[in-house]
Amino acid sequence: DGGITQSPKYLFRKEGQNVTLSCEQNLNHDAMYWYRQDPGQGLRLIYYSQIVNDFQKGDIAEGYSVSREKKESFPLTVTSAQKNPTAFYLCASSYPRVAEAFFGQGTRLTVV
Amino acid sequence: GESVGLHLPTLSVQEGDNSIINCAYSNSASDYFIWYKQESGKGPQFIIDIRSNMDKRQGKRVTVLLNKTVKHLSLQIAATQPGDSAVYFCAEKNFGNEKLTFGTGTRLTIIP
Repeated sequence: DGGITQSPKYLFRKEGQNVTLSCEQNLNHDAMYWYRQDPGQGLRLIYYSQIVNDFQKGDIAEGYSVSREKKESFPLTVTSAQKNPTAFYLCASSYPRVAEAFFGQGTRLTVV
Repeated sequence: GESVGLHLPTLSVQEGDNSIINCAYSNSASDYFIWYKQESGKGPQFIIDIRSNMDKRQGKRVTVLLNKTVKHLSLQIAATQPGDSAVYFCAEKNFGNEKLTFGTGTRLTIIP
C-alpha cells in the first residue's frame, strides 16, 4: 500500500532531551512538510522540503531541525531549545505543482 | 513559536441542511487554495482545491468559492450528514517554493 507513515504514534520524553520523529513516504513525492498542532488549534508549518537535499524554514522553525537525505524520508528533531515541545506533530507530502497533500496519522509528543 | 491561544470557531448545523465555512487568506500570490477535513486524532484529508484564477469549483456535495477582491474563501457542504462533523481547514499553496500553509480551522458539528 502506498502512503505516508509517521512513527511512533505516541512519544514521551524528559525535558532537556532531543527527540527525533520519523516520517516515511512511498508515494514518490518530492515535497514533504512538518506541522505542529496544539489542542484545539490549527496547523503551523515548521519546515518543508521541495526536493531531496533541500529544505526551508517554515513559520515556527526555532528549536527544530530536519534533514532530507533520501526522497522518501524527512525526519524531524525536536531539540531541547524548543520551549514548549508537547504537541501533535503531522508530516505531509505532495507532488510538485499539485494542490493535494497527503498526511500521516501524526505523532503525539509529550515532554515531562 | 508560542501559541497565541486562539481556539477554533465552531459551527453547528442541522443534519440535512447546507453549511458554509469561511476563511480569510493572506497571500495573494498563492497558486491554489485548498480545503482539508480533519477528524479527531487523525491527519487532515484533502477535500477540494481551486486554482487562483478561478472563482468557483464544484465537487460531490461540496462547492468552493474564491473572492480575490476581499481575500475570502468559502466551502459549502450540501445536505450535511453526521460524517461531516470534523474540523475544516483552508490552506494555500505556492508552486514556486511548494510552501503549504494553513489558515484557522472551523469545527463543524452536525446536529441529528
